[in-house]
Formats: sequence, C-alpha cells, structure tokens
Amino acid sequence: QLQLQESGPGLLKPSETLSLTCQVSGGSVNNNNYYWGWIRQPPGKGLEWIGSIYYSGATYYNPSLKSRVIISADTSKNYFSLKMTSVTAADTAIYFCAKHTAAGGDWFDPWGHGTLVSVSS
Amino acid sequence: DIVMTQSPSFVSASVGDRVTITCRASQDISTWLAWYQQKPGKAPRLLISEASTLQSGVPSRFSGSGSGTDFTLTISSLQSEDFATYYCQQAHTFPLIFGGGTEVDIQ
Repeated sequence: QLQLQESGPGLLKPSETLSLTCQVSGGSVNNNNYYWGWIRQPPGKGLEWIGSIYYSGATYYNPSLKSRVIISADTSKNYFSLKMTSVTAADTAIYFCAKHTAAGGDWFDPWGHGTLVSVSS
Repeated sequence: DIVMTQSPSFVSASVGDRVTITCRASQDISTWLAWYQQKPGKAPRLLISEASTLQSGVPSRFSGSGSGTDFTLTISSLQSEDFATYYCQQAHTFPLIFGGGTEVDIQ
C-alpha cells in the first residue's frame, strides 16, 4: 500500500528557505504512471496546489509560486522534495505531499498526513 | 487558469438530510473533476474521481454528477461521520485548482 510521509523543519524565520521532503513507501517515485505533488493549506483556509514532479524530472508549478519553488526527486532514496525561498508569514500552512496519476486524471490519492510549517520572526 | 467556484461555502444540516454541493468551472473540463472530504486535523480523502466514480470504500450515499462546467456532490442521507469540509478539484490542466470548500456542519 502506497504511503507518503512529509518531514522538515516546523518553524522558519521570514526570508529563510523552506525545505521539506516526502518519503514514499510501498511504491516507487521512479514510476511513469505517477506525478508527485505538493499542496498546502493555511490554517483555517482552503487547499492550494504548489507543484508536481514527474518521474522523468519534469516539473509543473503553480504560476503564483513558480518564482520561489523548486521540486526535485531522489529516485535512489525514493523521496521527493520541496524548496521554497524567501518565505513570509503568508507561507505558514500545513504542507501535504500526494500522488496523482499521469494518465487519466490528476486527482490526489493518497496524501501524506501533512506537516505544519510556521513562519515567524 | 481555470477558476473553480464552489457553493455554498457553509451548510448546516441534520443527520438524515440530503445535502447537495455544487462546483462550477470557469471553462469546460469535461469530467476531469474530483471531490475530497477533509476532517479537522486530517489530510483530504479522495471521494470521487472523474466527476462520478466513487472510490473504493466510500459509502454509496455519496454520489457525483456533472460534466463540462457544472458539477454536483450529493450526500443522500447525511450521517454523523459526514460532517466535514468538502472540496472539488479540476484535474483537466495545470495548474491544478481546488474549489474554496464547503463546510458541512451539524444543525
């Protein structure tokens, strides 16, 4: 059964770089059927797709975040990562990783449990 | 970008009620739409894909319909465990966009 687990620092200062990893178990990041994505949710608010990576390394980003975000994958260690530069308080959110299917619909399933990232001075 | 407009944003209902949530896309997305359920402190759970395909393990009281720009999630008889927030998501093109959410609360 495919499982995803986010990890990374929970507290950042403004202007720092957010770095999160999503460890994949029960399946391979190097699978041409899947994309691997990041979604975030500010406290009490809705869901925002950040971006996704395909097994080939191709990446797709939300235009609103594209200038600050890099998603990469390490197929040897079976995880993918999110880096977001120059964070502000507006980046405080729960960050989820999730899989979506390359052929036949980009819906997210399964999801990781999420990790809270707070940005505060 | 495709804009997803979900309504209502809040529903107050009782156990046994029929609840309908709508989602409208700003352009034709065929049936490339998903519905999720999210409970407090939990990750979203995929309920329905491709507008109407119920995921394994999801109770049959949930159903989805629609195509093009207008979609509906229906809970035929609300149960206590269904009180949650529901989101639609267009899966047609990048960027992938979620609706604003509908909170279903106990009346």
